[in-house]
Amino acid sequence: GAGVSQSPSNKVTEKGKDVELRCDPISGHTALYWYRQSLGQGLEFLIYFQGNSAPDKSGLPSDRFSAERTGGSVSTLTIQRTQQEDSAVYLCASSPEVSGGIQYFGAGTRLSVL
Amino acid sequence: RKEVEQDPGPFNVPEGATVAFNCTYSNSASQSFFWYRQDCRKEPKLLMSVYSSGNEDGRFTAQLNRASQYISLLIRDSKLSDSATYLCAVPPGNTPLVFGKGTRLSVIA
Repeated sequence: GAGVSQSPSNKVTEKGKDVELRCDPISGHTALYWYRQSLGQGLEFLIYFQGNSAPDKSGLPSDRFSAERTGGSVSTLTIQRTQQEDSAVYLCASSPEVSGGIQYFGAGTRLSVL
Repeated sequence: RKEVEQDPGPFNVPEGATVAFNCTYSNSASQSFFWYRQDCRKEPKLLMSVYSSGNEDGRFTAQLNRASQYISLLIRDSKLSDSATYLCAVPPGNTPLVFGKGTRLSVIA
């Protein structure tokens, strides 16, 4: 079956612009996660959604970052007024459940802020 | 102690060698453990799961030491294609996985 799908695969934007990154999880997976990975670094947790529960936003680095998950499926990560330090790969993952469940990753969106 | 810790490496080994890396975790309540592989400029992909004492899959063996709170990954007869970063992932209780920062492996001809 289809895996986690992310779009766009690459995004180049100018400093100060807003960007939206999309994630379509594996069908039936109730949990969805966003991570950020800078070059040569580990995964930085940003936010996760579990069913209809309030999302855990504890990893969002600033109020310029927000995410939504509509209808329990597709999620959008929005970065407002982008800065050069926002340049990274943004990875989305989904799992059948939150509690210790295996996470399956999308191919990521490579964001470059000029 | 950090929740999940790994030696970042790099581990540079010749083809055919056996190499092992460890991952320590802080939450003794963790019940399941995972190794992911991440190739350069790619997403992490699940390599192995460890639910009890260990798991073996071909050249790869994952072991769990609950007393000392670490998991290990052993790769026998290393291939050039094994070059990647290996991430361990641990759920600290009934919560999402926490990923280590990864150990980089380079297998050299």
